[in-house]
Amino acid sequence: KNQVEQSPQSLIILEGKNCTLQCNYTVSPFSNLRWYKQDTGRGPVSLTIMTFSENTKSNGRYTATLDADTKQSSLHITASQLSDSASYICVVSGLTGGGNKLTFGTGTQLKVEL
Amino acid sequence: GAGVSQTPSNKVTEKGKYVELRCDPISGHTALYWYRQSLGQGPEFLIYFQGTGAADDSGLPNDRFFAVRPEGSVSTLKIQRTERGDSAVYLCASSSIGAYTDTQYFGPGTRLTVL
Repeated sequence: KNQVEQSPQSLIILEGKNCTLQCNYTVSPFSNLRWYKQDTGRGPVSLTIMTFSENTKSNGRYTATLDADTKQSSLHITASQLSDSASYICVVSGLTGGGNKLTFGTGTQLKVEL
Repeated sequence: GAGVSQTPSNKVTEKGKYVELRCDPISGHTALYWYRQSLGQGPEFLIYFQGTGAADDSGLPNDRFFAVRPEGSVSTLKIQRTERGDSAVYLCASSSIGAYTDTQYFGPGTRLTVL
């Protein structure tokens, strides 16, 4: 069964600090990996998308890495802000069927405090 | 519209009732997806439309769930004989053409509570 596992489950950091979130997946065949940010009560918002040939992708203070050989990804957040408090979800797309069927992880709940 | 919209935002119903959840995708997007998110979990795929047709409905949990997109824009997710286990947030997303690397834009979701 295709799976996406994330760690840590939750994380509390002080404003201005950096943090790194981890993702391991078993989805095969692999198409691409995405990181989404989901605020409480809102739908997920896309941060990055990486195909198997891409090792890193940045979006402002967010930098995602991908190692397709070990099936691992990380999301690094630099100089955290209070507004970064949210759930960060790793999402993997496999090459199955038509379109883009996504497999979601359970997310890392990040809280940024003063 | 500017983004994906979903109505209602909240729906409370009694066990055994029928419910309809509506999704308005971004204008011009041909691909539309429905997901279900239980508390503390990531969304789970239900069904994907390419235009008017369901290209992949492998995520629908059973035959009580059905979705339509008759004109290739608005979609309705229909749940018959609701059960308490159906309680969740139902998310809709749309993407430009449904390519593997398309960004999926999500709506705010409909929170369904079955009493």
